[in-house]
Amino acid sequence: EAQVTQNPRYLITVTGKKLTVTCSQNMNHEYMSWYRQDPGLGLRQIYYSMNVEVTDKGDVPEGYKVSRKEKRNFPLILESPSPNQTSLYFCASSLYGSGNEQFFGPGTRLTVL
Amino acid sequence: GENVEQHPSTLSVQEGDSAVIKCTYSDSASNYFPWYKQELGKGPQLIIDIRSNVGEKKDQRIAVTLNKTAKHFSLHITETQPEDSAVYFCAASTTSGTYKYIFGTGTRLKVLA
Repeated sequence: EAQVTQNPRYLITVTGKKLTVTCSQNMNHEYMSWYRQDPGLGLRQIYYSMNVEVTDKGDVPEGYKVSRKEKRNFPLILESPSPNQTSLYFCASSLYGSGNEQFFGPGTRLTVL
Repeated sequence: GENVEQHPSTLSVQEGDSAVIKCTYSDSASNYFPWYKQELGKGPQLIIDIRSNVGEKKDQRIAVTLNKTAKHFSLHITETQPEDSAVYFCAASTTSGTYKYIFGTGTRLKVLA
């Protein structure tokens, strides 16, 4: 089944404890992206990747890191999480570029205490 | 920076009536405008999209119109059904230069039976 998977789905952590949220797609998509969703603010793009080893900042990259070493995986890294990073996170992928349908993962709900 | 304004934030309609959601974008370089539907507990899913060289696109009960001069695009849902109840997001992106997505803040649509 063609899909985008994220792990974990739920995570409660404490301030400053490094964490990684994994994202994987099995559709051979070139474009991958991370978003955070907060009430009243919609979806805001954190980082995106046009292809392997090519990443760029979205609108809200501060406090986040990403890497794209393989085409299928695009992990989101929070080196030192803070409470203002408590949010619902979505990974998405599309065949190529930013002018195509994005397929979203099921989301990761992160709480930073 | 670039932004996308979306209105209304909530919309209630009677089953069978039409619903219209409007978005305005700021970046004149934007050339791809997707609409996503998000059901409770799930990731957003594309329902329709339009490119800047097209003024209108229709898919059964759903249509999107684009006014490039006014930087305005709208989603029209006719003959609404209870299963149309969800949160709808508009977005704008460019397919050259930067490849960011800018999403609107979302519209919660309730279709009353």
